[in-house]
Amino acid sequence: DVKVTQSSRYLVKRTGEKVFLECVQDMDHENMFWYRQDPGLGLRLIYFSYDVKMKEKGDIPEGYSVSREKKERFSLILESASTNQTSMYLCASSLDRGPSREQFFGPGTRLTVL
Amino acid sequence: GQNIDQPTEMTATEGAIVQINCTYQTSGFNGLFWYQQHAGEAPTFLSYNVLDGLEEKGRFSSFLSRSKGYSYLLLKELQMKDSASYLCAVRDHSGNTPLVFGKGTRLSVIA
Repeated sequence: DVKVTQSSRYLVKRTGEKVFLECVQDMDHENMFWYRQDPGLGLRLIYFSYDVKMKEKGDIPEGYSVSREKKERFSLILESASTNQTSMYLCASSLDRGPSREQFFGPGTRLTVL
Repeated sequence: GQNIDQPTEMTATEGAIVQINCTYQTSGFNGLFWYQQHAGEAPTFLSYNVLDGLEEKGRFSSFLSRSKGYSYLLLKELQMKDSASYLCAVRDHSGNTPLVFGKGTRLSVIA
């Protein structure tokens, strides 16, 4: 079974803090993704990565950065957290080969910025 | 631009059949996915269609018409545990391009 884990299920931070969200997958997947999910807006892609040290901007990268130093780990960084970054953050991973290359999701981190 | 439309909410009765529709307008097409997401949990993969037609997997089936930009997810013999959000997603180019997700359909199954 593919397992995607995220460092925290719930996180509360203050405005202006630097926040790190960690994601680890154990199935040697090449691709990793960070989404945020908000009511009425669905899943929106923040950043993704095809390989170690590679990153690509998604639809809403502003206010975020990412790091992929190892294949199994993809970190999302909020440089200076703001209240509009309160959301559910979902990490996903997928193979870069195979017929469907479906994405497997982690359990999510519900971040509240006060 | 990319656009994926699905109904916001649906309600159906336990034991019945429900069809959740999804229409898409994307710059390209390389597969359509359905995910199930229970409240507070991660989305889980249900089905994948890349060719026209019906894919059946137990109580769940998914249909695709590429010429119409249309898919549906069919759930038979509904159970209370099927109450969840159902997300339609499209891969719009070949390779490893990320999926584009619809906003999801929240299905409530009532007794």
